[in-house]
Amino acid sequence: GQQLNQSPQSMFIQEGEDVSMNCTSSSIFNTWLWYKQDPGEGPVLLIALYKAGELTSNGRLTAQFGITRKDSFLNISASIPSDVGIYFCAGLNTNAGKSTFGDGTTLTVKP
Amino acid sequence: EPEVTQTPSHQVTQMGQEVILRCVPISNHLYFYWYRQILGQKVEFLVSFYNNEISEKSEIFDDQFSVERPDGSNFTLKIRSTKLEDSAMYFCASSVEGSSGNTIYFGEGSWLTVV
Repeated sequence: GQQLNQSPQSMFIQEGEDVSMNCTSSSIFNTWLWYKQDPGEGPVLLIALYKAGELTSNGRLTAQFGITRKDSFLNISASIPSDVGIYFCAGLNTNAGKSTFGDGTTLTVKP
Repeated sequence: EPEVTQTPSHQVTQMGQEVILRCVPISNHLYFYWYRQILGQKVEFLVSFYNNEISEKSEIFDDQFSVERPDGSNFTLKIRSTKLEDSAMYFCASSVEGSSGNTIYFGEGSWLTVV
């Protein structure tokens, strides 16, 4: 089946630093979604990307849909303590179809 | 803001018992999903549902699982005879096809513990 490789697995950064994480796949996706998950809660959608090359921002977050349709990255600028959590990428191709999640990037922000 | 709601938030059940997890998707959404997340692991796709039928399912979604939309608002996941390894957080999600594409919104999850 389709697999997403998400990296890094974890990050320990100082408050105020920028963060970058990415997902790559051997398969093409038509949509990339980025989620943040806090412990014991459901994933919360951060950014949705629908077109190859698309660059989208949501506050301090910026994500891009790779030109090859096989990768995407998420950047967080000027990190703050509440950015702590697990970030997941997800790729999907069809409506009502299977979505594939990355393994997650655990972000720790030290004040 | 509309949200996906799930009940129960936590259920403990004995191995071999049947469990039904309930979800109310966002009202104008047409596509419904169930996902599973074993503690400390990634979110795994179980099944998608559209137009009153299963669209796609994963290898995890075997014969002990079933989904149903019994009325206009609820979407349920039934596990017929639970096993210890079914212990996980189960997330319901929904989406609507937009001009841009498909964005999936998740509920808060139902934590299932099988003992």
